[in-house]
Amino acid sequence: DIQMTQSPSSLSASVGDRVTITCQASQDISNYLNWYQQKPGKAPKLLIYGASNLETGVPSRFSGSGSGTDFTFTISSLQPEDIATYHCQQHDDLPLTFGGGTKVEIK
Amino acid sequence: QVQLQESGPGLVKPSQTLSLTCTVSGASISSGNYYWSWIRQHPGKGLEWIGYIYYNGRPYFIPSLKSRVTFSVDTSKNQFSLRLSSVTAADTAIYYCATDKSGSFANFDYWGQGIQVIVSS
Repeated sequence: DIQMTQSPSSLSASVGDRVTITCQASQDISNYLNWYQQKPGKAPKLLIYGASNLETGVPSRFSGSGSGTDFTFTISSLQPEDIATYHCQQHDDLPLTFGGGTKVEIK
Repeated sequence: QVQLQESGPGLVKPSQTLSLTCTVSGASISSGNYYWSWIRQHPGKGLEWIGYIYYNGRPYFIPSLKSRVTFSVDTSKNQFSLRLSSVTAADTAIYYCATDKSGSFANFDYWGQGIQVIVSS
């Protein structure tokens, strides 16, 4: 199985801050990497697919980059409504696997 | 717009079989346009994909659950189901059904709201 290592596991930042989350795959997954946002008590929501493609309707302050084994998810200016847990997920090979999640809080 | 809704018991006794159903609206399971997945989330943990089923194809299960899990499809009710046998406390989780709008199994665009399942005597 491809292991997805996400860091940090949690972070606290101020409104307006730039927030960066990383996800590392245990092997080359090309750009087969998605990012999800999960608000408390809710199902995850797909934000970015193919490592860097923004899902329709997702604010442009969210972005993703990377290929191969190293990926980055960025919130350019953190907003109060961005409080959530963010998950990466690879779909290069079965079984599909997720990272451990990053909980983002407001300082 | 595809909508998914999980249903089933919220409490299951150890060693028993967990049965969950996902009712689909806005799409026909028998159309062959989607793969239907189950995903779970242990308390305070990350997401774990359990596997998928296609309306008439062979399902895929993750190796760690392969001996205990069964998927099925009921096209007459537009539902798909998960059965997990010999449950233990380690199966306590929120269970989601989900699917990919593009027709692959790679991305999860549509999710149910999730159903909390507790395994306890």
